[in-house]
Amino acid sequence: DIQMTQSPSTLSASVGDRVTITCRASQSIGIWLAWYQQKPGKAPNLLIYKASSLQSGVPSRFSGSGSGTDFTLTISSLQPDDFATYYCQQYESFRTFGQGTKVEIK
Amino acid sequence: EVQLLESGGGLVQPGGSLRLSCAGSGFTFSSYSMSWVRQAPGKGLEWVSTISVSGGSTYYADSVKGRFTISRDNYKNMLYLQMNSLRAEDTALFYCAKDRTDCTGASCYSDPWGQGTLVIVSS
Repeated sequence: DIQMTQSPSTLSASVGDRVTITCRASQSIGIWLAWYQQKPGKAPNLLIYKASSLQSGVPSRFSGSGSGTDFTLTISSLQPDDFATYYCQQYESFRTFGQGTKVEIK
Repeated sequence: EVQLLESGGGLVQPGGSLRLSCAGSGFTFSSYSMSWVRQAPGKGLEWVSTISVSGGSTYYADSVKGRFTISRDNYKNMLYLQMNSLRAEDTALFYCAKDRTDCTGASCYSDPWGQGTLVIVSS
């Protein structure tokens, strides 16, 4: 099974900060990676697919990069609506989620 | 607008059974693979099961294989998850999700997700 490890688990940041979340796969997954945002009491919302493709309707301050085993989600300028938990998910072999990264207010 | 509405959750004793349902609307239900993903209270996301457009192919996480059965009714636009031999560790919010078409079988990602139905396994 492919394991996904996100870092950090929690991130404290301020509005306007550039934020980067890392996701590492236990083996190569090519570009078959998605990122989701989840707010408390809500369902996950797709942000990025195929490692770097922005889902329609998602603000351009979100971007994804990487291939193989190492991936990043970047928020170029953190907005109040972005405080949430973020999950990566591989879909190279079945699907596995990272443990999540909570972005909280500093 | 795509909508997914789960139902059927509740409190069940260990060893018991429950059937979850998900009603899809706003899209051609019969054209999409569908999945169930769960989230234990305060924990992360865990893929549970996926079913192909026709229902002819089904996939399960090892943690539920042999106990859960996914099915669909394309005439009624409904997705189901029959859960048997439930354990305390199955306690979770169960989400129904529409899979994307640019991926294959269980190796896929989902958008959108429903709001979930809560399953509590406890005596």
